[in-house]
Amino acid sequence: DGGITQSPKYLFRKEGQNVTLSCEQNLNHDAMYWYRQDPGQGLRLIYYSQIVNDFQKGDIAEGYSVSREKKESFPLTVTSAQKNPTAFYLCASSGYWAEAFFGQGTRLTVV
Amino acid sequence: AQTVTQSQPEMSVQEAETVTLSCTYDTSENNYYLFWYKQPPSRQMILVIRQEAYKQQNATENRFSVNFQKAAKSFSLKISDSQLGDTAMYFCAFNNAGNMLTFGGGTRLMVKP
Repeated sequence: DGGITQSPKYLFRKEGQNVTLSCEQNLNHDAMYWYRQDPGQGLRLIYYSQIVNDFQKGDIAEGYSVSREKKESFPLTVTSAQKNPTAFYLCASSGYWAEAFFGQGTRLTVV
Repeated sequence: AQTVTQSQPEMSVQEAETVTLSCTYDTSENNYYLFWYKQPPSRQMILVIRQEAYKQQNATENRFSVNFQKAAKSFSLKISDSQLGDTAMYFCAFNNAGNMLTFGGGTRLMVKP
């Protein structure tokens, strides 16, 4: 089945540690996005990519990094520079002029 | 840059009643798509309805319909015969010809029995 897969569902990070969230899609979509969602809040854009080997910062890119080496994959690394990383992270992809499809999300907690 | 504004942070409605959620957007584009997404407590984002800007007819999906006013840059969502399962966060979203998706801040809807 076509879709977008995020892993892991739950992730725990120690202080000062980098962690990587996975996002894979088999929908042949060019655009992919990463959003952060805090409890009871809306979606804030971290990074987006409209084509392989290119990506742009969103509204809250500080402390995060991404890569887009393959069309299907858009991993997000939460670095130690992100001082408050505990949140729910959503990955999405979209076709041209089309709606976004979302993954199930990753809940990241700092321990 | 495009912006999407949802002016109602929270709303409530009695079961079986009708409720309308507001959304306005700002763009200089002429061709674009608009969407409403639902996010229930499970946090899975679910597409509710979509509207192509070049279509004058308002989109309808069962109990969900939109009032699309292109000149006013308004895109409201009407939920008829509200059900308890409609309780969720609702997000308005915009996708332009550059394939850049922009979301509003969301409206939390509570359906009361």
